[in-house]
Amino acid sequence: DQQVKQNSPSLSVQEGRISILNCDYTNSMFDYFLWYKKYPAEGPTFLISISSIKDKNEDGRFTVFLNKSAKHLSLHIVPSQPGDSAVYFCAASVYNTDKLIFGTGTRLQVFP
Amino acid sequence: DVKVTQSSRYLVKRTGEKVFLECVQDMDHENMFWYRQDPGLGLRLIYFSYDVKMKEKGDIPEGYSVSREKKERFSLILESASTNQTSMYLCASSFPTSGMSWETQYFGPGTRLLVL
Repeated sequence: DQQVKQNSPSLSVQEGRISILNCDYTNSMFDYFLWYKKYPAEGPTFLISISSIKDKNEDGRFTVFLNKSAKHLSLHIVPSQPGDSAVYFCAASVYNTDKLIFGTGTRLQVFP
Repeated sequence: DVKVTQSSRYLVKRTGEKVFLECVQDMDHENMFWYRQDPGLGLRLIYFSYDVKMKEKGDIPEGYSVSREKKERFSLILESASTNQTSMYLCASSFPTSGMSWETQYFGPGTRLLVL
């Protein structure tokens, strides 16, 4: 049973516009949520995180929003750049463990 | 700068072979993890270790074992490789999470394994 779901396998956005990547989860015991970015032939790299006690976290062009009642989080990238083209994984941490549960990933393509 | 290295980028093995995937980290992290990445399935945790000689099963441990004899090194072993173990294998490491914050997992570049 997939506890973390990314329902859009791909997203295509024009350079300069906003990219919105979505993630849904089912487990109420998740206490941290993270986004990782992965380029081909490289390992995932950490992008941004949010604690379950917050509803927004911002880092430059990247903002993560958490809606606990809907069990939904989203990553906003604005403005999108061609270098943002990658696969984005949503992940969640179970309270009091060091384990992460990953979503299936969304491939973002930013075109000029 | 954190560095997680994996012994091979690409590996081709035959069905039934014993396969060793090695991972080394240089940040003195207590935690180390092995994942596999498959299209449409994301990253799935195979095993993790929170200390030397300690290990815990992840979500898909069947067909795999691990070894952690030294803090910096975590090995994934496929006892008898099968074609359904063809995948991208990713190693990661981190400090233990405290109650106040979450510790980032740092990933190696991955090993793409093909089992024929």
